[in-house]
Amino acid sequence: GQQVMQIPQYQHVQEGEDFTTYCNSSTTLSNIQWYKQRPGGHPVFLIQLVKSGEVKKQKRLTFQFGEAKKNSSLHITATQTTDVGTYFCAGPPGGYKLSFGAGTTVTVRA
Amino acid sequence: KAGVTQTPRYLIKTRGQQVTLSCSPISGHRSVSWYQQTPGQGLQFLFEYFSETQRNKGNFPGRFSGRQFSNSRSEMNVSTLELGDSALYLCASSLGEKLFFGSGTQLSVL
Repeated sequence: GQQVMQIPQYQHVQEGEDFTTYCNSSTTLSNIQWYKQRPGGHPVFLIQLVKSGEVKKQKRLTFQFGEAKKNSSLHITATQTTDVGTYFCAGPPGGYKLSFGAGTTVTVRA
Repeated sequence: KAGVTQTPRYLIKTRGQQVTLSCSPISGHRSVSWYQQTPGQGLQFLFEYFSETQRNKGNFPGRFSGRQFSNSRSEMNVSTLELGDSALYLCASSLGEKLFFGSGTQLSVL
């Protein structure tokens, strides 16, 4: 079955620095979604990428879908304390369910 | 519009007992999915219901079951609880591919 892998599992970032988290699938994805879960909270939808090579930006967050539609990345610039949380990527294997990666948990040093 | 509502918020049970969790989706959403979240394991897909029919099922034992009612509200049941069932159980409703999560039910099995 499809597996969505995320790296790194943990990301410790100095406030103001940039970082990138990566998502890789064993199969081609029709689309990929990203969610953010704040500590003690529930996952909240951030964005969906559909097209090969697609790049979308949300303020300091840049999302990219690979050309082969098997990988994706989330790049955050000038990290702030509000970026703390766990970021999940998720992709549908062609059915109706989403397969989630294990997430990248981000902590920020002020 | 009200969000996804899950009850109860917290639950403590002992091994061997059974438990029923409830989820009320966003009005108009006919798809309800259930996920189990444990530290470091990400979100593991349990099952998905659409119009009272189970449309997809994850790799969980038969002790985990669910159902959906005509008003789209859903319940999941876990019988013969084990210590390893301690987790945050998240329900998500959707109209399309984007998931809207509830705050979850934190289940502790003692």
